[in-house]
Amino acid sequence: AQTVTQSQPEMSVQEAETVTLSCTYDTSESNYYLFWYKQPPSRQMILVIRQEAYKQQNATENRFSVNFQKAAKSFSLKISDSQLGDTAMYFCALRQGGSEKLVFGKGTKLTVNP
Amino acid sequence: ETGVTQSPTHLIKTRGQQVTLRCSSQSGHNTVSWYQQALGQGPQFIFQYYREEENGRGNFPPRFSGLQFPNYSSELNVNALELDDSALYLCASSSLGTADEQFFGPGTRLTVL
Repeated sequence: AQTVTQSQPEMSVQEAETVTLSCTYDTSESNYYLFWYKQPPSRQMILVIRQEAYKQQNATENRFSVNFQKAAKSFSLKISDSQLGDTAMYFCALRQGGSEKLVFGKGTKLTVNP
Repeated sequence: ETGVTQSPTHLIKTRGQQVTLRCSSQSGHNTVSWYQQALGQGPQFIFQYYREEENGRGNFPPRFSGLQFPNYSSELNVNALELDDSALYLCASSSLGTADEQFFGPGTRLTVL
């Protein structure tokens, strides 16, 4: 069975500062993908960043980067230069290769303060 | 290119009733997945449809059923509604077999009284 755990229910950060959200996962598969999704109050789930398990290099997308530790099954998200628009629920998700099914964590509510 | 759309936005039903939720997939996508997101929780996979057939199911009872149409749009049907069915229902479209991401719709908020 695949599981995703987010141990931080809520976090806050000052505008322009850096914050890191934690995620651990468990899977017996060797081929899988990891994702961070953002869900603002508008409810629409938006992909922030993705990581293929076979890639050793950590993914980056502008202000967003991940620290992928495959042996530790850890996948944290770093947000640099936080902006007010980053305020949202953030979900870590796992997808097995060959499947479209996403397994989500319970989410971290991030608040960026002015 | 149109995104994923869902209807209705909100819905209120009473216990025991039946409900149908609709999803239009993004242009070029052939797969629709449905998720249930209870308040304060992450989305839970209900099932997935590919080329009009169910292609994977999560831990949901048979009263949750679906359809996919030739244009790849989809319906989620829930019979004999229970109070615990109150949730945000999300659909996501994708192209099966590619490594592409899933694109989510804005969801339907279902309240069961």
